[in-house]
This record gives sequence, structure tokens and C-alpha cells, in this order.
Amino acid sequence: AQSVTQLDSQVPVFEEAPVELRCNYSSSVSVYLFWYVQYPNQGLQLLLKYLSGSTLVKGINGFEAEFNKSQTSFHLRKPSVHISDTAEYFCAVHLGGNKLTFGTGTQLKVEL
Amino acid sequence: NAGVMQNPRHLVRRRGQEARLRCSPMKGHSHVYWYRQLPEEGLKFMVYLQKENIIDESGMPKERFSAEFPKEGPSILRIQQVVRGDSAAYFCASSPAGAGPYTEAFFGQGTRLTVV
Repeated sequence: AQSVTQLDSQVPVFEEAPVELRCNYSSSVSVYLFWYVQYPNQGLQLLLKYLSGSTLVKGINGFEAEFNKSQTSFHLRKPSVHISDTAEYFCAVHLGGNKLTFGTGTQLKVEL
Repeated sequence: NAGVMQNPRHLVRRRGQEARLRCSPMKGHSHVYWYRQLPEEGLKFMVYLQKENIIDESGMPKERFSAEFPKEGPSILRIQQVVRGDSAAYFCASSPAGAGPYTEAFFGQGTRLTVV
């Protein structure tokens, strides 16, 4: 069965520092991967997705992620974070049809 | 254009009561999905509906849970005789016609259900 694992439940980082949020997946078939962000009191918003093609995917708000098949990873990165990036970030894999399965989330806390 | 609207945002029920969670999809969207997030877990797919049809309910518990998306009005997730283990955040998402990973689903803010 396809699944994703987010090992870091919380990541504290200072403003303007780089950040990487880790996501590993397990899948025996073609994989479609997503990162969503949830700001406080809001719904999940799509940051970026990997469907095929270039393994480096650029998303909104300066985020990017790299699909690494050999390491079964899809880590999310941003070279310089802002206070407004404080949120919960979810990695997800497409299961087929219209279904996604999500990781447990990583709380990014950006501090001054 | 309002986003996906879920209500109530917070719901408290005593064991044995019924919980009704509502989801109004984005304008023009005819596909609705329900997900559940249990404490310390990721969101898990429950059910996928189109107007008046259940397309995929493979993630729904076999008993006490039901979902509908009538021709008029919001989608409803209904939990009968709630138990403490039903306490979770329930998220609704909607998408326009079309299936698969190439179609973005838009999520609501979720309903936090607490069973006491």
C-alpha cells in the first residue's frame, strides 16, 4: 500500500534561515506526490505537486521539492523562511481515483 | 468566490448522540471528498461523492457512518451513536468534474468533533 512518512513533527527555525521538511514515501507503482500547507484556522492549501517530468518542483511562496526515486523521498525546501511561513505542512501521495493519503504533518515554527 | 465551507467548525457531542457535519463545495464543483484526521495521525480518505452518488466509500467505517451529497444543498457526513474514538478533525474537499491527480482538490477548514 502506498503511504508517506513525515518523521519530524515539529521544526523550529529562525527567520531568514533555510528549512527542509522531510517526507518519505512507499509505493510499488508510479507515484504522484503533493505538499499541502495549513495556516492556523484555515483549510489545507496545495503548495506543489510532482506528477512526472522534472524531479525539482517549484511551488507557491518560494517553496520547492525534489523527487528522489532512489531514496523514495520528496523533501520540501525553502532557502529563506519568513514568519508568515509558520504553519503545518502535510506530505501526501495519490492512491488512485481521487484519493490521497497524508502524512502526520510537520509543524514549522519560524522564530525571530 | 467562497472556498469550501464546513460547519460547524467545532462540535461537541455526548456518547451515543448523532453528529452531522456539513460541507458546501466551491461554486461549480460537483465532487466532494471527506477525510478524517485522528489525533497524531495524518488525514485518511473516507468517502468520495458526486451529486446524488457515492463513488468510493472504501475508507468509511462499516457501521454508524454515512455520507450524502444531495442534488440541492451541502454534503452531509453523519455519525450515529458517537463514541470517544470518533473524536477527530473531519475535512471536506471539493473539485470540479474530472478525476485523478491532475485535478486539484480544495479543502475546507475542517470540523473538530469532540465526543465527551
